[in-house]
Amino acid sequence: QLQLQESGPGLVKPSETLSLTCTVSAGSISSSGYYWGWIRQTPGKGLEWIGNCYYSGSTYYNPSLKSRVTISVDASKNQFSLTLSSVTAADTAVYYCARLPRMLPFDYWGQGTLVTVSS
Amino acid sequence: DIQMTQSPSTLSASVGDKVTITCRASQSISSWLAWYQQKPGKAPKLLIYKASSLESGVPSRFSGSESGTEFTLTISSLQPDDFATYYCQQYNSFPYTFGQGTKLEIK
Repeated sequence: QLQLQESGPGLVKPSETLSLTCTVSAGSISSSGYYWGWIRQTPGKGLEWIGNCYYSGSTYYNPSLKSRVTISVDASKNQFSLTLSSVTAADTAVYYCARLPRMLPFDYWGQGTLVTVSS
Repeated sequence: DIQMTQSPSTLSASVGDKVTITCRASQSISSWLAWYQQKPGKAPKLLIYKASSLESGVPSRFSGSESGTEFTLTISSLQPDDFATYYCQQYNSFPYTFGQGTKLEIK
């Protein structure tokens, strides 16, 4: 069964860059028809879609975060990554990676990783 | 952005009850709506897609329906495992947006 696993620092300082990686196992990130996305969850704002990527490199970002977000794919490692620059306390959240089949919602999710922004 | 408004925010019910959760979209999303279940410390789990299609492996007591921009998740007979938080999500257009959640509690 497909599995996704987030990894990265759990603590990031304000104004620095948050970097997370999602490793996909028991399936190929290069499979046609599947996008790969990042979603975050905070007690205050709930679930927030960050963006999606395709194995070809095409990306779609939430306009609210677009100026600070980059999502990239490393097909050779079966991974995709999220970077969020100039973080503040408002970026403290549980970050999830997930699979997004074409014309369908997120069907497989990682377990989530808590990232705290604090000095 | 398309706003998704869920109601109620909290719902108290008993095992065996039939419950309904509503999600209203601020504009047309056709049927591009999903329902998720989330338990504490876990990722959301997909229950329903395209408003009324049951995800594989999800019990048939869960069902979804739509009427215009109003969508409904119904659990026909609550089981102990169903007490959780439920979210709707539109995937009609970017940015994808979620409802604020409905916490289903044991009465």
